[in-house]
Amino acid sequence: AQSVTQLDSQVPVFEEAPVELRCNYSSSVSVYLFWYVQYPNQGLQLLLKYLSGSTLVKGINGFEAEFNKSQTSFHLRKPSVHISDTAEYFCAVSGDFSGGSNYKLTFGKGTLLTVNP
Amino acid sequence: NAGVTQTPKFQVLKTGQSMTLQCAQDMNHEYMSWYRQDPGMGLRLIHYSVGAGITDQGEVPNGYNVSRSTTEDFPLRLLSAAPSQTSVYFCASSPRRYYGYTFGSGTRLTVV
Repeated sequence: AQSVTQLDSQVPVFEEAPVELRCNYSSSVSVYLFWYVQYPNQGLQLLLKYLSGSTLVKGINGFEAEFNKSQTSFHLRKPSVHISDTAEYFCAVSGDFSGGSNYKLTFGKGTLLTVNP
Repeated sequence: NAGVTQTPKFQVLKTGQSMTLQCAQDMNHEYMSWYRQDPGMGLRLIHYSVGAGITDQGEVPNGYNVSRSTTEDFPLRLLSAAPSQTSVYFCASSPRRYYGYTFGSGTRLTVV
């Protein structure tokens, strides 16, 4: 079985400060990793994904994430945040299982990022 | 190209009533899923489909039914609504497992 742990439920930061949102996963097989963002009263939007290759992945809105296989982590970072980045962020994993179950996404419980002026 | 369309956006049901949440996508995606989102719980998978005529249960399937007669549509049926089914429901679709899902804007359901 696969699982995702987002280590912080809430992260408050000041505008223009750097931020890191932490995500750890467990899986018995190779994984695909995703970060999604959810703005208030909206659906989820894909920020970035790791499939294979370079462990540093760049996404939309200036976000990036680094895949660390030895630490089973996929932390999300942004060097300078804006008020508009205030949202909930979800880490998700799908595994390279055989058969039809390999596309299922398992989500973490989310991290609420609040950017203060 | 509308993406993933969910209707209705809001719904209030009485305990014991049944209803269908609609989901349609116009991207010719094979994979579709239903999730529910509850505070502090993240998103939990209810049912999923890997193509027309093929569905299976997810993490929290009890009280829900699905069918997939076409590639485009994947309705979710609540058989007999219970207050525990008060939640925000999201439908999502993907062309392949590693593309990531495209999500609809959600249906906020309240069962009283």
